[in-house]
Amino acid sequence: DTGVSQDPRHKITKRGQNVTFRCDPISEHNRLYWYRQTLGQGPEFLTYFQNEAQLEKSRLLSDRFSAERPKGSFSTLEIQRTEQGDSAMYLCASSLSLGGYGYTFGSGTRLTVV
Amino acid sequence: GENVEQHPSTLSVQEGDSAVIKCTYSDSASNYFPWYKQELGKGPQLIIDIRSNVGEKKDQRIAVTLNKTAKHFSLHITETQPEDSAVYFCAALDTGRRALTFGSGTRLQVQP
Repeated sequence: DTGVSQDPRHKITKRGQNVTFRCDPISEHNRLYWYRQTLGQGPEFLTYFQNEAQLEKSRLLSDRFSAERPKGSFSTLEIQRTEQGDSAMYLCASSLSLGGYGYTFGSGTRLTVV
Repeated sequence: GENVEQHPSTLSVQEGDSAVIKCTYSDSASNYFPWYKQELGKGPQLIIDIRSNVGEKKDQRIAVTLNKTAKHFSLHITETQPEDSAVYFCAALDTGRRALTFGSGTRLQVQP
C-alpha cells in the first residue's frame, strides 16, 4: 500500500448528471476525509469518517452531496444533479485516529461540469 | 470553527535566499499545525508539522515556529532551490471537528 488512491483522476460531466468518486485510503488508517479545492484556494473540509461512521457532515455543500464508507475501507463521494459551480478538485485524505494528525492526501479527482 | 489566514499569497525569491510564510489561526484550543506543499496536478504533501507543546521544529532546510500567545505560526525555508517552487498551505486542527482547516495558500517561485 503506497498511499491514498483516488479514481478517476479527471471527470468531465454535463450539468445535471450525477457523478461518483472513489477513494482508497492507506489500509491501516481508520480516518478518511473529503475536501474540495477550487482554483487558487486551500482545501475546504467537507466530511469525514472514522471507520464506517460518518462523524461530521455538516460541511457538505448541499443535499446534493453525499458520502459513504460502507465497510470502513474505501469511500465514495456522490454529487447529484451537478452544477457548474461544482467544478473543483475533490481530495481525499486518510490518517490514523486519535487526533487526525498526519493526513496523507490522494492526488484528487478533478471535476469539470460543462 | 477554526479560521486560518495565510500570507503572502505569492512570494518570489532568488535561489539561495530564504522564504518565510506566515499564518494566523483563531481557535486557541488548536494544538496541531502542519504545512503542506502542493505541486501542479498533485494532492498536498505534508512537509513539516508542529504541536502546541513546542515552539520550533526544524527539518534540514525547513523550520516552523509557533507563537501560541499570538496565535500565529510560520514556515521558514532556507537556501531555496528551484524545486521548492510550489504552493504551500498552512493548516490548523479544528478541535471541534477533528479535521484540518487550511489557509488559502502561498505560491512560492524560486528564480534560478
